[in-house]
Amino acid sequence: AQSVTQLGSHVSVSEGALVLLRCNYSSSVPPYLFWYVQYPNQGLQLLLKYTSAATLVKGINGFEAEFKKSETSFHLTKPSAHMSDAAEYFCAVSGGTGANSKLTFGKGITLSVRP
Amino acid sequence: DVKVTQSSRYLVKRTGEKVFLECVQDMDHENMFWYRQDPGLGLRLIYFSYDVKMKEKGDIPEGYSVSREKKERFSLILESASTNQTSMYLCATSAWGQGVSYEQYFGPGTRLTVT
Repeated sequence: AQSVTQLGSHVSVSEGALVLLRCNYSSSVPPYLFWYVQYPNQGLQLLLKYTSAATLVKGINGFEAEFKKSETSFHLTKPSAHMSDAAEYFCAVSGGTGANSKLTFGKGITLSVRP
Repeated sequence: DVKVTQSSRYLVKRTGEKVFLECVQDMDHENMFWYRQDPGLGLRLIYFSYDVKMKEKGDIPEGYSVSREKKERFSLILESASTNQTSMYLCATSAWGQGVSYEQYFGPGTRLTVT
């Protein structure tokens, strides 16, 4: 069984500040891990994914995430927040095996960016 | 690019009506999913399908059914709509096979209001 924990429901940062969104996972098999972003009234868009290659993964819009197996974490970071980063962010895990592999999503974190 | 379309962006229906939500994808993906999204609850899987005419229940299938007669099309049916089914409904697809990482691609969502 897989699970994802995203602590807190809301993060607020100033424009230009570091963005750090935390994600911890549980998986009985080596996981595939994903971060998605959702802008208001839109579907989810893939930001980046970890698939057992490099542990530091770079995604779109300047985001990156580091897979730390010992900490079962996959935190999302961006060095300098922009107003356009305000959105909801979801972490997800897949067991990555079998024809029916599903994603398990965290509850999401809303990121606000203050001018 | 994967394109996933949903039949309506906004829908208003009356209690007791039969409601059809349709999802179409153009990337020949085997897997298709229906989620509902509610504030504070994240994404919850309703049903998924890994092949034509195949379906499996997700976490919250009660009150819903699905149909997949063609590979590119996956329909969600609310047999008798109720006010507690007012929600955002998201369709997603993913590929299956050797070397894929099962990331899901989402449609824009349908915001359903049942009055």
